[in-house]
Amino acid sequence: GENVEQHPSTLSVQEGDSAVIKCTYSDSASNYFPWYKQELGKRPQLIIDIRSNVGEKKDQRIAVTLNKTAKHFSLHITETQPEDSAVYFCAAIEDTGNQFYFGTGTSLTVIP
Amino acid sequence: GAGVSQSPRYKVAKRGQDVALRCDPISGHVSLFWYQQALGQGPEFLTYFQNEAQLDKSGLPSDRFFAERPEGSVSTLKIQRTQQEDSAVYLCASSSRVGNTGELFFGEGSRLTVL
Repeated sequence: GENVEQHPSTLSVQEGDSAVIKCTYSDSASNYFPWYKQELGKRPQLIIDIRSNVGEKKDQRIAVTLNKTAKHFSLHITETQPEDSAVYFCAAIEDTGNQFYFGTGTSLTVIP
Repeated sequence: GAGVSQSPRYKVAKRGQDVALRCDPISGHVSLFWYQQALGQGPEFLTYFQNEAQLDKSGLPSDRFFAERPEGSVSTLKIQRTQQEDSAVYLCASSSRVGNTGELFFGEGSRLTVL
């Protein structure tokens, strides 16, 4: 099955700085890559996703990039705010299957 | 309801007890998933339902784990003879699309502690 690795496991940034979280995957058949945000004690929620037919996608302060050749994808958050503090999970999916393979999560702390 | 609802939110069980965790998905959602999330880890797949059919149970860690969705709506995850290693948050998620082609809407989870 798919193996997703995520780095770093913890990340602290000053408010206003950028944050980057990176994931690698092993199965070249994976073609859908969502990112979920989980605030403390809350449910994971989708914040952005990308499919393998594009290399980058942006939504306001967040963006995701995908390098299919190298099998890695990254989440970029610009102008970070304290409410961005949460655990972020990447996932890789081969969309004819049934499983989302999640990374181990990155705990992001934005320092005011 | 507006979202995926899970109950109980917290469950403490003595080792060897049976537990049942309930998931109420978003109305009309075809797909329902159960995930296990250990402390500090990402969610790990347990099982998948498309309507009432359990199409994938490859993630269930042992035959002590059993899930059902008899009418294609509410689902129950049952764990028999609980062990300490079963302690985790059990997340239910539903999707309006078949398989894993759509956004997952998660519940807030059921935190199981086995003493």
